[in-house]
Amino acid sequence: GQSLEQPSEVTAVEGAIVQINCTYQTSGFYGLSWYQQHDGGAPTFLSYNGLDGLEETGRFSSFLSRSDSYGYLLLQELQMKDSASYFCAVRDLYGRGYNKLIFGAGTRLAVHP
Amino acid sequence: ETGVTQSPTHLIKTRGQQVTLRCSSQSGHNTVSWYQQALGQGPQFIFQYYREEENGRGNFPPRFSGLQFPNYSSELNVNALELDDSALYLCALGGQGNNEQFFGPGTRLTVL
Repeated sequence: GQSLEQPSEVTAVEGAIVQINCTYQTSGFYGLSWYQQHDGGAPTFLSYNGLDGLEETGRFSSFLSRSDSYGYLLLQELQMKDSASYFCAVRDLYGRGYNKLIFGAGTRLAVHP
Repeated sequence: ETGVTQSPTHLIKTRGQQVTLRCSSQSGHNTVSWYQQALGQGPQFIFQYYREEENGRGNFPPRFSGLQFPNYSSELNVNALELDDSALYLCALGGQGNNEQFFGPGTRLTVL
């Protein structure tokens, strides 16, 4: 089967740092993406790791270790607007060059004053 | 703003009925994917269309079907609706050779 595990909920205060972990077990793997989704909104792309290591984009960083089937999203200098659900998603590439995303169940982040 | 639009935003149907959901964008992405997102869950891949042909399918029965048009707009059709089909349906553009997919705001389908 295919599965992605991430914590269901995380709580933090403004200005803090939070790390959301993701472990995966999938039949194919081409990279790990992170998406943010506010209540009632569309998932929006945050970061992608195709190779091992750290990718940094402003206050957000993402890490991947393919040998450990593990990645994380690091959010720094938390703001109230960061309260949302965060999904890790494995990019599986196959067939005629198309790729699909296999999503975890999501981590609900609540940022408090 | 991703520039991806979906219609309708909300829809209520009864079991056994059929529904058509639509997705469009002003950008020229030639790949569109459809996902089903149940409440409290992550999106699940239904299928993908590339240049008007189905390019791949997830674990969804044939009563889920789709179309992609020459202007790259797309439809998702679901026949013989079941209660478990109640979910948010998302379309996503891009994904053919690039890492980012651009999601629309979704259609919230309720089956009674």
